[in-house]
Amino acid sequence: DVKVTQSSRYLVKRTGEKVFLECVQDMDHENMFWYRQDPGLGLRLIYFSYDVKMKEKGDIPEGYSVSREKKERFSLILESASTNQTSMYLCASREPTRYGYTFGSGTRLTVV
Amino acid sequence: GENVEQHPSTLSVQEGDSAVIKCTYSDSASNYFPWYKQELGKGPQLIIDIRSNVGEKKDQRIAVTLNKTAKHFSLHITETQPEDSAVYFCAASTTSGTYKYIFGTGTRLKVLA
Repeated sequence: DVKVTQSSRYLVKRTGEKVFLECVQDMDHENMFWYRQDPGLGLRLIYFSYDVKMKEKGDIPEGYSVSREKKERFSLILESASTNQTSMYLCASREPTRYGYTFGSGTRLTVV
Repeated sequence: GENVEQHPSTLSVQEGDSAVIKCTYSDSASNYFPWYKQELGKGPQLIIDIRSNVGEKKDQRIAVTLNKTAKHFSLHITETQPEDSAVYFCAASTTSGTYKYIFGTGTRLKVLA
């Protein structure tokens, strides 16, 4: 089975810190995605990547950036963390010939 | 903009009863509709999906129906069991062709033993 691994389950960071959330998939998928999940709002797309070094903004990219230097790794960066970025962050990958996503277990980030 | 509405937000059923979750989408070009189940402490997992050229799809106790005219699709779970308790998300593909999905806001299903 495809495995999508997010490096941290829980993170607590201070306002203004630069935060890196890491995601690794082990099935050579080209497409990778970062979502944030908030109660009552569902999953909202932050950024996605078609392939190495390629990235596109999703629906809520403000305050975030991403990096994809290697095919298996897709990093989400909070340039200067703010309390309104406290959320559950979910990484997903997708095989181009299939439709469904495989999600990681999520990182719950708290910014204090 | 593109939108997916999901109802209800919470649903409690007795074990053995059926559960139905409904979603409405706005983009008439959407052609793929997955359903995800998220258990506590885990990421969402794909449980069933349907393409726009099919009206219904069934997998054991789970079924999904699609009404393209009304832009509605629904998840049906029969003979519910305690392990069905989770948050369920519907989603619809977008017109951009990038396999981005618009997700609903989720339904918390509780199956009461």
